[in-house]
Amino acid sequence: EVQLVESGGGLVQPGGSLRLSCAASGFTFSDHYMDWVRQAPGKGLEWVGRIRNKPSSYTTEYAASVKGRFTISRDDSKNSMYLQMNSLKTEDAAVYYCTRVRDTGWSGAYSDYWGQGTLVTVSS
Amino acid sequence: DIQLTQSPSFLSASLADRVTITCRPSQGISSYLAWYQQKQGKAPKLLIYAASTLQSGVPSRFSGSGSGTEFTLTISSLQPEDFATYYCQQHYSYPITFGQGTRLEIK
Repeated sequence: EVQLVESGGGLVQPGGSLRLSCAASGFTFSDHYMDWVRQAPGKGLEWVGRIRNKPSSYTTEYAASVKGRFTISRDDSKNSMYLQMNSLKTEDAAVYYCTRVRDTGWSGAYSDYWGQGTLVTVSS
Repeated sequence: DIQLTQSPSFLSASLADRVTITCRPSQGISSYLAWYQQKQGKAPKLLIYAASTLQSGVPSRFSGSGSGTEFTLTISSLQPEDFATYYCQQHYSYPITFGQGTRLEIK
């Protein structure tokens, strides 16, 4: 069974930093791209970024709203992905979801499994 | 960036109704569209990928169609567990974007 478990959320002051983790199990983690998606309270879904797998050189993509402040990384030996968030703003407050990306080639690369999310609150 | 416009934003329907939600990208995205269902306080769940392919385990009353610049999600006969918020997502180009959501409520 695919499981994705996020952790590391909490309360942080504006300008502060936080590191989120996503622990994966039930599938071959190293095969997959992985995404972070967030959802501000009462709002819709916003894609944060993606990290590709080793064959794709672990390259990353980011939303413009977080580029230069957030960094996605992964450790395939630990079946884990991370989101380092720096210079946090009040508008970064959200539930952050870790998602597994399925890429069959013909169907594109989309999120097929989601974790339960971890809440980040940015407030003074 | 590709904008996705869902309509309607809010839908009130009765059990056994047939409902359709539309998603219109601001430019063509071939069939690189997915649909997700989100219930209150829960993570989204994949329903449809490649515009029309049903994810394993999803009831057959859900169906998707379309390509290019117009897509639809149809629920053929609403069940109590279908009342939720639905999102479309394009993964044709970066940044990946979502529609604003369609909230489906019981009439």
